[in-house]
Amino acid sequence: KQEVTQIPAALSVPEGENLVLNCSFTDSAIYNLQWFRQDPGKGLTSLLLIQSSQREQTSGRLNASLDKSSGRSTLYIAASQPGDSATYLCARRARTFGTGTRLTIIP
Amino acid sequence: DGGITQSPKYLFRKEGQNVTLSCEQNLNHDAMYWYRQDPGQGLRLIYYSQIVNDFQKGDIAEGYSVSREKKESFPLTVTSAQKNPTAFYLCASIPAPGQGIDTQYFGPGTRLTVL
Repeated sequence: KQEVTQIPAALSVPEGENLVLNCSFTDSAIYNLQWFRQDPGKGLTSLLLIQSSQREQTSGRLNASLDKSSGRSTLYIAASQPGDSATYLCARRARTFGTGTRLTIIP
Repeated sequence: DGGITQSPKYLFRKEGQNVTLSCEQNLNHDAMYWYRQDPGQGLRLIYYSQIVNDFQKGDIAEGYSVSREKKESFPLTVTSAQKNPTAFYLCASIPAPGQGIDTQYFGPGTRLTVL
């Protein structure tokens, strides 16, 4: 069964820093990968979708990369802001979700 | 406004009762999904439907049932056979999976508590 792992489970960084969130998956099958953010008690908000044929996607201060050979995706957040505080989840093929990284940006 | 609506936001159920969670989308998306989210666990897929009048079991379908009579609606029934139904339930949709339009969108969720 495919697994998706996100480490660390929680991360705190000072405002203004750049940071990287990690997502690892156990197989290299050709599936897309999507990053979401979730605020407490809310649904998921789509951030970026990387198609299986792509290596990265960018939106504003966010950049997501996909390396199928190593089974990894990273979400890069530039110049972090307190409003970025949330739980970030990655998902493969709308089927397998990681448990998320809870990010806290310290003002 | 286009989007996915779920109702109710909070739902309380007595043991032994069936309850139905509503999910409606006006995005004209083909595929719809139901997940449950428990503390410390990732989302787990309950059921999904890629076309009207057709649906497939996900990883944890036991104790749940769905219908897809209309493209915009995908209600989930939590039956009394579901052993541990207390959870946060999320509905989602995708425009056209497998056709390059794969971004998934989520509703705001329904929190079900069994008393």
